[in-house]
Amino acid sequence: NAGVTQTPKFRILKIGQSMTLQCTQDMNHNYMYWYRQDPGMGLKLIYYSVGAGITDKGEVPNGYNVSRSTTEDFPLRLELAAPSQTSVYFCASSLSGTDYGYTFGSGTRLTVV
Amino acid sequence: AQSVAQPEDQVNVAEGNPLTVKCTYSVSGNPYLFWYVQYPNRGLQFLLKYITGDNLVKGSYGFEAEFNKSQTSFHLKKPSALVSDSALYFCAVRDYGSSNTGKLIFGQGTTLQVKP
Repeated sequence: NAGVTQTPKFRILKIGQSMTLQCTQDMNHNYMYWYRQDPGMGLKLIYYSVGAGITDKGEVPNGYNVSRSTTEDFPLRLELAAPSQTSVYFCASSLSGTDYGYTFGSGTRLTVV
Repeated sequence: AQSVAQPEDQVNVAEGNPLTVKCTYSVSGNPYLFWYVQYPNRGLQFLLKYITGDNLVKGSYGFEAEFNKSQTSFHLKKPSALVSDSALYFCAVRDYGSSNTGKLIFGQGTTLQVKP
């Protein structure tokens, strides 16, 4: 049982480039989330999804896009990368939207130069 | 607005001593509270949660947390710290802004350093 798998683990982008961070879960969880982690700032929610075909913005969505065509996959797209997007990105999933905790992926460390 | 605060950036404790990592919250309804741990270069791992019931919640790795409604606190505790407990700890509260979305609001994190 792999849980939540994120790829790549590390990436360096040049300003203006684009990329997609992949996230896949094999637990049949309907709820999925993308957070970014910056030092001393905790985790900030970028986008979330409550099921296939349904996505919504979180606290810091600017510069990002997501899609949820299947229950398993929730990719995060960065268009026109900027230095402010240098961060560690975590994908998470949850069985329900009420009292279940999250299962997190191992993260993607992105540097924009 | 919902929020969660971890007032200490770092907590230092000697191995074998009890440890406490503090968390306070502000929510508009009944609080759903969580603790997560992050080891270096790893994702966050779920430790424990409070939804309802007993104010003392037991979780993974010998950790427990005490829910105090009057003080709006949910402090993480362990009777005897281990060096291997050294990590970054996050408190989180369910966001009531949109019902049934499962969104969590995280504190800024507290680094726990356990010295031999």
